[in-house]
Amino acid sequence: DGGITQSPKYLFRKEGQNVTLSCEQNLNHDAMYWYRQDPGQGLRLIYYSQIVNDFQKGDIAEGYSVSREKKESFPLTVTSAQKNPTAFYLCASRMGNQPQHFGDGTRLSIL
Amino acid sequence: AQRVTQPEKLLSVFKGAPVELKCNYSYSGSPELFWYVQYSRQRLQLLLRHISRESIKGFTADLNKGETSFHLKKPFAQEEDSAMYYCALDSGGYQKVTFGTGTKLQVIP
Repeated sequence: DGGITQSPKYLFRKEGQNVTLSCEQNLNHDAMYWYRQDPGQGLRLIYYSQIVNDFQKGDIAEGYSVSREKKESFPLTVTSAQKNPTAFYLCASRMGNQPQHFGDGTRLSIL
Repeated sequence: AQRVTQPEKLLSVFKGAPVELKCNYSYSGSPELFWYVQYSRQRLQLLLRHISRESIKGFTADLNKGETSFHLKKPFAQEEDSAMYYCALDSGGYQKVTFGTGTKLQVIP
């Protein structure tokens, strides 16, 4: 199923290490989003981007960084400053006020 | 600030029984509301949105601005309805979308 692709599916991080999660879309959507999904807490917004070279913090941006150099790509870096990074990360995209399309997610674990 | 509340973490019903998944929101503007569903081992996907007024897989949801609610209903639950359901509020344009904490629906055969 194309549209929005997240990689890798599973990722392991050592203490003190930064890791980058990939999100690519071929839907020509302007807006892209990163969410963190934890059991019992639903989806919490980390960052979102409305257009290329612009992005805004979501509700839980601390310890994360993003870039939006291309319309198709919105990578998320989980930095060593994020003290509890173990989670399932979802990327989404959309056009205007249309519903979001989601990727399959990346599960990040700490070694 | 916008907020979405789904009070039930788990809802168990018998097959054939009616289903109501609750969603309440707080938002000062004119909201757009969605229900998303995540079946086991599948992507999160749109179930329905309030402006379309559609019935998808037998589910309906009515926006009640007076009660600030957008409850999801189905008259007769099916086993294949077992999934995680999320209510979401969109403040419009390319702005942020806020999700509730989700309700797991378990349909008992």
